[in-house]
Amino acid sequence: EAGVVQSPRYKIIEKKQPVAFWCNPISGHNTLYWYRQNLGQGPELLIRYENEEAVDDSQLPKDRFSAERLKGVDSTLKIQPAELGDSAVYLCASSLAGHYNEQFFGPGTRLTVL
Amino acid sequence: TQLLEQSPQFLSIQEGENLTVYCNSSSVFSSLQWYRQEPGEGPVLLVTVVTGGEVKKLKRLTFQFGDARKDSSLHITAAQPGDTGLYLCAGVQVGGADGLTFGKGTHLIIQP
Repeated sequence: EAGVVQSPRYKIIEKKQPVAFWCNPISGHNTLYWYRQNLGQGPELLIRYENEEAVDDSQLPKDRFSAERLKGVDSTLKIQPAELGDSAVYLCASSLAGHYNEQFFGPGTRLTVL
Repeated sequence: TQLLEQSPQFLSIQEGENLTVYCNSSSVFSSLQWYRQEPGEGPVLLVTVVTGGEVKKLKRLTFQFGDARKDSSLHITAAQPGDTGLYLCAGVQVGGADGLTFGKGTHLIIQP
């Protein structure tokens, strides 16, 4: 069974530029999460989807971040414009409903904003 | 204030030694999970505990959920270099948001 796929793995951009990350969850997993992980820290939730619906986006900086999950499968996370403080690893995870939120993570996208 | 406090933050020991890391909170959790993350990779689920007082073993790793479901510990026996990584606890808070809250993790280094 294929795991969670993320692309790109690495991205280097200059500040004020836009950037987008893509995630393909495990087949059949209806819940999808985007996290941001700063160096040496635990993941912090940005947004959680149940199928197509964003059910928790309280920690998403909506002035510059946006996300979508069309058709309830793949998802994209966008930052426009990027700031220096956005440098981090962006993790995507998915889970099955009713499994204690046990999450399966992708390898992440390491973003560096110069 | 961090909902889940992990300690120690960093731990470096020699191969063959035993160690325990902790995950504490003042809140009650309906379930708690431990993940291990290696550099350049996403966290990988090790175990889920759901019952107060529950003990689960995974080879040389022993996980315990506190009786009051506010804390958990991970004990590693005879640590090996392959155990090196960032150990994260995460839980679903009773009466809180449905999502998982992560601690900041314990960075563990096992030296050969």
